[in-house]
Amino acid sequence: SQQGEEDPQALSIQEGENATMNCSYKTSINNLQWYRQNSGRGLVHLILIRSNEREKHSGRLRVTLDTSKKSSSLLITASRAADTASYFCATDKAAGNKLTFGGGTRVLVKP
Amino acid sequence: NAGVTQTPKFQVLKTGQSMTLQCAQDMNHEYMSWYRQDPGMGLRLIHYSVGAGITDQGEVPNGYNVSRSTTEDFPLRLLSAAPSQTSVYFCASSYGMMVGSPLHFGNGTRLTVT
Repeated sequence: SQQGEEDPQALSIQEGENATMNCSYKTSINNLQWYRQNSGRGLVHLILIRSNEREKHSGRLRVTLDTSKKSSSLLITASRAADTASYFCATDKAAGNKLTFGGGTRVLVKP
Repeated sequence: NAGVTQTPKFQVLKTGQSMTLQCAQDMNHEYMSWYRQDPGMGLRLIHYSVGAGITDQGEVPNGYNVSRSTTEDFPLRLLSAAPSQTSVYFCASSYGMMVGSPLHFGNGTRLTVT
């Protein structure tokens, strides 16, 4: 079973708009990571947020983590056509050696 | 650095055949793992290794074997291919899960079993 579940499954926006996607998980975690996957390629790490952090920024990316609700959100500001990709959240359980991925959100940024 | 290299990129097998998917990394990472990606299922962990000589099962290990004789290499063996193993396989490595080190992925092997 998947630890993380992304919402929505797909998102279509115009270039310049913001894109927000959410991730919910089931059990306590050490940290939560977000990855991007372009079509036909492997996943690329975007950002990691630890369980004791609430918000983190990296360029146009903003990630929040609410451990009481077991949820995280990824915001991409001022989106570009190059942001078109699938985005995955991944969690590792406390004291675990496994990184579990959600089903992903497909983002289409229209020029 | 080449990063994580997977070979082959594409493979077609007949049911019952065996094969080995190769994975090599040149980043001196201790942790290596194999995932399969199916439409609508995200990525599911098959096997992982926290260092040379140590392997463990992930979420969907049946039908697959792994070994880790060196830090660099982590091959995945399909013992007797089945159509249910048609998927895209990704190898990934990191310094280690316990330190929250991000995974570095290869570009995948697309496997079709007929």
